[in-house]
Amino acid sequence: GAVVSQHPSRVICKSGTSVKIECRSLDFQATTMFWYRQFPKQSLMLMATSNEGSKATYEQGVEKDKFLINHASLTLSTLTVTSAHPEDSSFYICSASPGDSRIEQYFGPGTRLTVT
Amino acid sequence: AQSVTQLDSQVPVFEEAPVELRCNYSSSVSVYLFWYVQYPNQGLQLLLKYLSGSTLVKGINGFEAEFNKSQTSFHLRKPSVHISDTAEYFCAVSGRGSEKLVFGKGTKLTVNP
Repeated sequence: GAVVSQHPSRVICKSGTSVKIECRSLDFQATTMFWYRQFPKQSLMLMATSNEGSKATYEQGVEKDKFLINHASLTLSTLTVTSAHPEDSSFYICSASPGDSRIEQYFGPGTRLTVT
Repeated sequence: AQSVTQLDSQVPVFEEAPVELRCNYSSSVSVYLFWYVQYPNQGLQLLLKYLSGSTLVKGINGFEAEFNKSQTSFHLRKPSVHISDTAEYFCAVSGRGSEKLVFGKGTKLTVNP
């Protein structure tokens, strides 16, 4: 149980275009979902926290107009990187927290974004 | 606010040797502690967690960790490692009442034959 999927696993896009990454909780309802960014050989940095049906809460330094997060249902959150640039290239990982517990997070397999 | 320090960025060991990956944390409130493993180009898998109760926590794949409140540590141990344990290991902390995880910088464990 507690499986989280991400789609796509890898994406290459041209500079200036937008790309959407989906995060789904497959066998549980996720009241809260989190989006992280991981640079090569570095740790995960929390970008934002999203709760179903409400606006995401962004961490300091994260541009909310560039990284659009939508948590439309209890099983789906999306991250849209708008007007992507090469410096946005990174590994993006989502996690989901079940409705009955905010302690544990279950992580998706990640999405490798490359902006050319 | 919480912070995590993983004292070793890389730990090379031989197969079947014991290993300890060190983690220290700081927090002004009580904490929950976690160890995650990440294989190349994959997400994170939970190895074990400390929420309350016994300070010795056993996890998957033969790993265990001990919560030491006085030393603010949560070191990860395995008595005998396998080649397949080669991966990046992350220690994480969250303050009680907070849903946010703060991660250490990771320790790359390399198990050599």
